[in-house]
Amino acid sequence: QQPVQSPQAVILREGEDAVINCSSSKALYSVHWYRQKHGEAPVFLMILLKGGEQKGHEKISASFNEKKQQSSLYLTASQLSYSGTYFCGTPHNSGNTPLVFGKGTRLSVIA
Amino acid sequence: NAGVTQTPKFQVLKTGQSMTLQCAQDMNHNSMYWYRQDPGMGLRLIYYSASEGTTDKGEVPNGYNVSRLNKREFSLRLESAAPSQTSVYFCASTSHGGGSYYGYTFGSGTRLTVV
Repeated sequence: QQPVQSPQAVILREGEDAVINCSSSKALYSVHWYRQKHGEAPVFLMILLKGGEQKGHEKISASFNEKKQQSSLYLTASQLSYSGTYFCGTPHNSGNTPLVFGKGTRLSVIA
Repeated sequence: NAGVTQTPKFQVLKTGQSMTLQCAQDMNHNSMYWYRQDPGMGLRLIYYSASEGTTDKGEVPNGYNVSRLNKREFSLRLESAAPSQTSVYFCASTSHGGGSYYGYTFGSGTRLTVV
């Protein structure tokens, strides 16, 4: 079951904040976040393994609500370099299975 | 540079032709994956290899075969290409056996067009 991401697309001005959500109808064992710039490969940002876990990566952080079966990616004080498509990925079944990815959220940061 | 190397980067095939996409990683990872990416569809798993000597089907395996040649190399073969296989193909690897406890490292992709 493919996780559902929202919004599908968002446009920000430099310095603005954004939240990208990832939810699943199945139990979540972990959540990965990746960023893909146009014409390039996806790049790993972070992984959340436990419910309630929060992590940060520069000005990009994420939370994982295991009970609600969802994760959120927070981008604060956005920079032009944050533009790209963000994907969440979750294990197909238990934690020891390949990732199933959402359809992505396209983020555009403009000056 | 360490990472995942895919060849070729671009390919145009005629319907019915066959080809093999090559993937190699030098990070001593156990698990390797093939995904395809189509506009608006995200990344869909074709096949994966949790460890050397094993392969399993993913979400969209029809029309493809794979070979885990050794720990480093994992190839994807299209026996008789169809226009529906026009896509960008990504190979990825991770250190855990078939799992999702570590981040995936992706190759730069193969852009395949079937005419």
